[in-house]
Formats: sequence, C-alpha cells, structure tokens
Amino acid sequence: DAKTTQPTSMDCAEGRAANLPCNHSTISGNEYVYWYRQIHSQGPQYIIHGLKNNETNEMASLIITEDRKSSTLILPHATLRDTAVYYCIVRGLYNQFYFGTGTSLTVIP
Amino acid sequence: NAGVTQTPKFRVLKTGQSMTLLCAQDMNHEYMYWYRQDPGMGLRLIHYSVGEGTTAKGEVPDGYNVSRLKKQNFLLGLESAAPSQTSVYFCASSYISYEQYFGPGTRLTVT
Repeated sequence: DAKTTQPTSMDCAEGRAANLPCNHSTISGNEYVYWYRQIHSQGPQYIIHGLKNNETNEMASLIITEDRKSSTLILPHATLRDTAVYYCIVRGLYNQFYFGTGTSLTVIP
Repeated sequence: NAGVTQTPKFRVLKTGQSMTLLCAQDMNHEYMYWYRQDPGMGLRLIHYSVGEGTTAKGEVPDGYNVSRLKKQNFLLGLESAAPSQTSVYFCASSYISYEQYFGPGTRLTVT
C-alpha cells in the first residue's frame, strides 16, 4: 500500500488560507486519497477525499496533481479552531486507512 | 444516533492481565476497524472486519485478537497485556468504501 509524506508542522495566520501538502508517489490508479484531522486526542474527523479530480466541500478543497503523486489540502479561511494534526491517507483495498505522522497545523491569531 | 461508541474510556492493567475493548456502532456499517495511536504518531491499523463473522489482520496485529459476532459490535482482546500495549485505541466504522467514522478512543495503560 502507498505511504504518504507530509511536513511535520506548519503555521498559518488566522483568516488566511492554509495549504497542506502531501506526497503519495507510489499511489496506484484506483487508490483514493483521504484527509482527516485530529484535534487534541479526539477521534479523527473526516474532511475530504478524492481520486483524481479536484474536490471541494464546506470544509476544504483538495487539489490532486495530474500524475496523482501529490495533493494539497486547502482550508480557505483558517480559524483558531482549525489548529489540529492533519493526516493525508491512502485508502487500501478493503477501505483500510494507512496513516502517516501527519502535519501539526497551528493557526496564529 | 450515537455513532461509534467505545467502552471503557480509560483502563489501567497490570502486565499479564487480559481485557476486552468494546466498539459499537448504530449506523449499520459493514466495515469496522481497530487502530492504536502511540504518542506523537499517527494511527496504526490493528485488525479490521468487512462483515459479521469475518476479521483480518492490519499492520500491527500481534498480541491482539478480535471478534465480530454481531454486525454492530467489534471486540478487541488483549490476552496477556504488555507495557508496549500502552496506547490510545480507536475504533472506526464505514459503509464499505466510504469515509470512516471514529469513536472517542480508549486510553489504556499497562504497568
């Protein structure tokens, strides 16, 4: 199964867009990319997912490169409540999730 | 709907003791999962189930057993607890190939 690589930490000013990158260079053609976040030690929360097209929902946008080897999660207007660890995940054949270590995003007032 | 619930929320065990963690979901999901999360790390998959009566190994299955006798429940057992199993355990469920919904976690300490 493909693994993902993310920066360990990032800062973002409140009200600005937060762009979180992820590399998944060994992803196969039918594997989806999912993004989750975890606030403190709570259970991870679903944000968005995609296969090859860009996706947008009420929480975020997901941009996937044409070769599908990387993606970017965009939080358009970051708030203090968006401070969390963000995980980029490649889904396995039976919907198993393989988490990396994630990116710790700190939104600064 | 309660979503995914986990019992207990906290537990302290002594080395060699056994225990069972219970995960329950009321969303009629087919798939269920057990993960563990160690400090500073992402979640790692222990076991999963794609339906009632079926289970499969994940990334870190050693030292754990699971059972899925009812569709809504997924049990994680530790037969002989070790300090290395000190962790936060998360259960999740999903409707086949859709997003997973996670429970609040069980914090287990083995002394």
